[in-house]
Amino acid sequence: AQKVTQAQTEISVVEKEDVTLDCVYETRDTTYYLFWYKQPPSGELVFLIRRNSFDEQNEISGRYSWNFQKSTSSFNFTITASQVVDSAVYFCALSEVDNYGQNFVFGPGTRLSVLP
Amino acid sequence: SQTIHQWPATLVQPVGSPLSLECTVEGTSNPNLYWYRQAAGRGLQLLFYSVGIGQISSEVPQNLSASRPQDRQFILSSKKLLLSDSGFYLCAWSVKSRITRNYGYTFGSGTRLTVV
Repeated sequence: AQKVTQAQTEISVVEKEDVTLDCVYETRDTTYYLFWYKQPPSGELVFLIRRNSFDEQNEISGRYSWNFQKSTSSFNFTITASQVVDSAVYFCALSEVDNYGQNFVFGPGTRLSVLP
Repeated sequence: SQTIHQWPATLVQPVGSPLSLECTVEGTSNPNLYWYRQAAGRGLQLLFYSVGIGQISSEVPQNLSASRPQDRQFILSSKKLLLSDSGFYLCAWSVKSRITRNYGYTFGSGTRLTVV
């Protein structure tokens, strides 16, 4: 069965600090997809990144970077030089491709507070 | 382009009253549709998903039901609301693919339901 763990329930940092959000997953499939979503105070879930299980290259997008390591089943998310607008709940998710398309499992989320 | 509409944005309902939340998707056909609930300060819980018209799968037993009367319309209902039904309800859609395309879910803007 699939499972996603985000051990950090809440993190507080001061603006301009770097912060890493941890995500550990479990799956028995060899083909799967990992995602990060951001949920700002407005509530809407915003897609950040998708990574498939065959691509272990780390990715950088502006101040965001992701470290995918299959050996440790982790897909960690780092925000460099954090800003107040980064304050949100961040969800890591795992998807196995079933016969009908997609079946997601979300982690419990990490609430990030960036203080000015 | 594809868009997802969810309404109303907020709702305050008395205990025992009925509920109807609607979600519609535009710009795609035959999507997978999902209803999630997020209780205050907690993670996302999948309530229902649908792979086609009239096809509903329930993930958790509860006071709620879902229906898909049209390809791109997904409705969440209750005959009698309970206090525990309060929460943030999110509708989402995804493409249907058995192969490798997996772009994740696209979420609606959510409905904040308060049962009083």
